[in-house]
Amino acid sequence: ELKVEQNPLFLSMQEGKNYTIYCNYSTTSDRLYWYRQDPGKSLESLFVLLSNGAVKQEGRLMASLDTKARLSTLHITAAVHDLSATYFCAVDKGQGGSEKLVFGKGTKLTVNP
Amino acid sequence: DADVTQTPRNRITKTGKRIMLECSQTKGHDRMYWYRQDPGLGLRLIYYSFDVKDINKGEISDGYSVSRQAQAKFSLSLESAIPNQTALYFCATSDPRGRRTTGELFFGEGSRLTVL
Repeated sequence: ELKVEQNPLFLSMQEGKNYTIYCNYSTTSDRLYWYRQDPGKSLESLFVLLSNGAVKQEGRLMASLDTKARLSTLHITAAVHDLSATYFCAVDKGQGGSEKLVFGKGTKLTVNP
Repeated sequence: DADVTQTPRNRITKTGKRIMLECSQTKGHDRMYWYRQDPGLGLRLIYYSFDVKDINKGEISDGYSVSRQAQAKFSLSLESAIPNQTALYFCATSDPRGRRTTGELFFGEGSRLTVL
């Protein structure tokens, strides 16, 4: 059974600081996704990582995937208040892109002025 | 207008009532999903459908049923609602076709259900 673990689950940081959110998963998969959710809102796709060593960057966020370690990271550089949200990683449990995603519990990020 | 539309957005009901949540999409995607979100638990898959004639149970299907009325419509039913089905429900779609498909899911705005 595929398990996806994120840590930390809660993160409070100051503006301008850097931090990393970790996503570990328990069985082989080469597809990992990061989503952002604002309170009471839908999930917005941030990054799609489809191979070992994949790295994607958008603004102050950078995501990477190491399929051998079964680990993805979401790095935040020089955080700003607008990044406050809950971030989910999700892993495809099937083969060849079945799109049956298993989600982590989410990391609630609060960026303080 | 949203590409994935859920109705109702909010619903309060009583234990034992039958509830239907509806999802329609204009993305032209074949695959549709229902997820449930509970605080601190992330999202869990209830049912999914890869085309109109294909319905599959997810990890938490007990107490739920679905109907895929058309490629664009996928509804979730609670035959006899109970309080622990209080949650935020999301419909999602994906498109596996084409060599550039990424497999990502596209979510609706969510339906908040409260069972008293």
